[in-house]
Amino acid sequence: AQKITQTQPGMFVQEKEAVTLDCTYDTSDQSYGLFWYKQPSSGEMIFLIYQGSYDEQNATEGRYSLNFQKARKSANLVISASQLGDSAMYFCAMREGRPGNTPLVFGKGTRLSVIA
Amino acid sequence: GAGVSQTPSNKVTEKGKYVELRCDPISGHTALYWYRQSLGQGPEFLIYFQGTGAADDSGLPNDRFFAVRPEGSVSTLKIQRTERGDSAVYLCASSLRRTGNNEQFFGPGTRLTVL
Repeated sequence: AQKITQTQPGMFVQEKEAVTLDCTYDTSDQSYGLFWYKQPSSGEMIFLIYQGSYDEQNATEGRYSLNFQKARKSANLVISASQLGDSAMYFCAMREGRPGNTPLVFGKGTRLSVIA
Repeated sequence: GAGVSQTPSNKVTEKGKYVELRCDPISGHTALYWYRQSLGQGPEFLIYFQGTGAADDSGLPNDRFFAVRPEGSVSTLKIQRTERGDSAVYLCASSLRRTGNNEQFFGPGTRLTVL
């Protein structure tokens, strides 16, 4: 079974509107972390936001927020007030086990296109 | 400060040749990771170093792939007898904190093309 599932290969959003990118995960660990990264066409991976499994509040970073629903094992990324520069690939990733330096497991990504 | 750097940015080689890909992590970062990203996919883990030693090499696809980090800083990913299926972007990342979100900082990648 896939550890990280991103069911939307591509999404379109109008500039200044909000958009939700879906991510579901599969783990039997009680302690884990969830990450979202942005990958523009230039190729670099840019860290956006992190949610720990024991965090009681949804993470927020500027225009990014993470809608964490633990029982449903979902960690959707919400981008508010979309900008043209938000057009990129977005990857959801998970670190299993206790916090520390462990590899990430990535989903296949969602390509977001922001329309003027 | 300087981010993670990777050289070369592009590498074209012929099937059967040997290649080396270099990663310079952020200064002071103890953990270093190699990932491979094939076209249309997310990055896939290859190997992870904590200091000089490989803490987890379970992602290496076969024994043609090898990586070293002799002084706990720069790392080299080595691929022997390259095959066309090795063509991908090879990403390196580094991180510092042993707890918390251990955010991984990624380099720009090396695009490897095996003809």
